[in-house]
Amino acid sequence: DAKTTQPTSMDCAEGRAANLPCNHSTISGNEYVYWYRQIHSQGPQYIIHGLKNNETNEMASLIITEDRKSSTLILPHATLRDTAVYYCIVRVKGADGLTFGKGTHLIIQP
Amino acid sequence: ETGVTQTPRHLVMGMTNKKSLKCEQHLGHNAMYWYKQSAKKPLELMFVYSLEERVENNSVPSRFSPECPNSSHLFLHLHTLQPEDSALYLCASSPRVLAGRTDTQYFGPGTRLTVL
Repeated sequence: DAKTTQPTSMDCAEGRAANLPCNHSTISGNEYVYWYRQIHSQGPQYIIHGLKNNETNEMASLIITEDRKSSTLILPHATLRDTAVYYCIVRVKGADGLTFGKGTHLIIQP
Repeated sequence: ETGVTQTPRHLVMGMTNKKSLKCEQHLGHNAMYWYKQSAKKPLELMFVYSLEERVENNSVPSRFSPECPNSSHLFLHLHTLQPEDSALYLCASSPRVLAGRTDTQYFGPGTRLTVL
């Protein structure tokens, strides 16, 4: 799986959009970008994934650059409950297991 | 509630004890996983089962012994553990990938294990 780089931590004001960047410059053509988050002491939660087109669901939007070397996860209206560690993972669809890095600790400020 | 349950949620055991962690999924998936999350470290994949057969074993010490009796249940048997094995143990499940189907993994809440 390709390596990803994420900022260690970020702050965002409650009610504002939280934009979490991820660099994956060595991504190959058949690798997807997945995002999970982990609220303190809980299991990771799936958020969204995509290949090359932008994706949106009820939780978030995923913007992937045209060259696919980076992406941004957008939480449109952050709440205090969105405080968590967010993981960007690049992998071939169907590959066994997930390789987690250190992720970004997002702190939503009241 | 993700449809993946784990019991117990907390476990304290001595180094000479034998205990088991249980995972159950109610999602109709046929792949299941064990992960370990130690303090200040990323999640590490331990074992993967697909259709009840072990397909991946990431150099895990033999004091951890997985068992998958059917596609809904996964166990992790523990014996003669060390204090450094204290961690959050997470179970996940996913459907096997078929054309057009997602392979998203869904995690349980984890078992917090402390080895004294």
